[in-house]
Amino acid sequence: SYVLTQPPSVSVAPGKTARITCGGNNIGSKSVHWYQQKPGQAPVLVIYYDSDRPSGIPERFSGSNSGNTATLTISRVEAGDEADYYCQVWDSSSDPVVFGGGTKLTVL
Amino acid sequence: QLQLQESGPGLVKPSETLSLTCTVSGGSISSSSYYWGWIRQPPGKGLEWIGSIYYSGSTYYNPSLKSRVTISVDTSKNQFSLKLSSVTAADTAVYYCARHLRYFDWLLGGFDPWGQGTLVTVSS
Repeated sequence: SYVLTQPPSVSVAPGKTARITCGGNNIGSKSVHWYQQKPGQAPVLVIYYDSDRPSGIPERFSGSNSGNTATLTISRVEAGDEADYYCQVWDSSSDPVVFGGGTKLTVL
Repeated sequence: QLQLQESGPGLVKPSETLSLTCTVSGGSISSSSYYWGWIRQPPGKGLEWIGSIYYSGSTYYNPSLKSRVTISVDTSKNQFSLKLSSVTAADTAVYYCARHLRYFDWLLGGFDPWGQGTLVTVSS
């Protein structure tokens, strides 16, 4: 089955840029979606189709995907961005929906 | 604004069947643009997709759960349901329902929005 690898944690100072990676074999050939989950809340889609933002998601959130790595970038990080972030792909050849293990973003 | 709400027992005995329903409001479950999915999250752990269903009844399941899972849809009630049989303590989790974006029948996308989730505990 397809495996997505995320770093368990990322730390960043307020106002700086956070980059959260999602590794997978030839992930650049797939569409990657990203979710933000705050404690006690349901996940929220923040990036879909590699780099598109749903309405209501700040422009500070952006995504890219190439080769074996997809990246979620959060610019001008705020305290309110502290959360767990998950990547997800669709892989119809085997395990259709795969989530990464999640990355805890800590704002210092 | 589309909303999803999970409902069902919060406690299930080992070896029994877990049953949950998701009620969709603010939109039609019969839209051609979406599937409807179930995802779970064990306490303190990550997300695990269970399966997704189209309003016609077409389904995709997680291969690791497929032998125990049945997802069905009731378009007249704007609801879809999950049944997970032979549960064990490992099935204890928060269960979420969510709308699953559909590009083509062979290409689905992300989940948006999600229900608030419901904790199901498997214990005697």
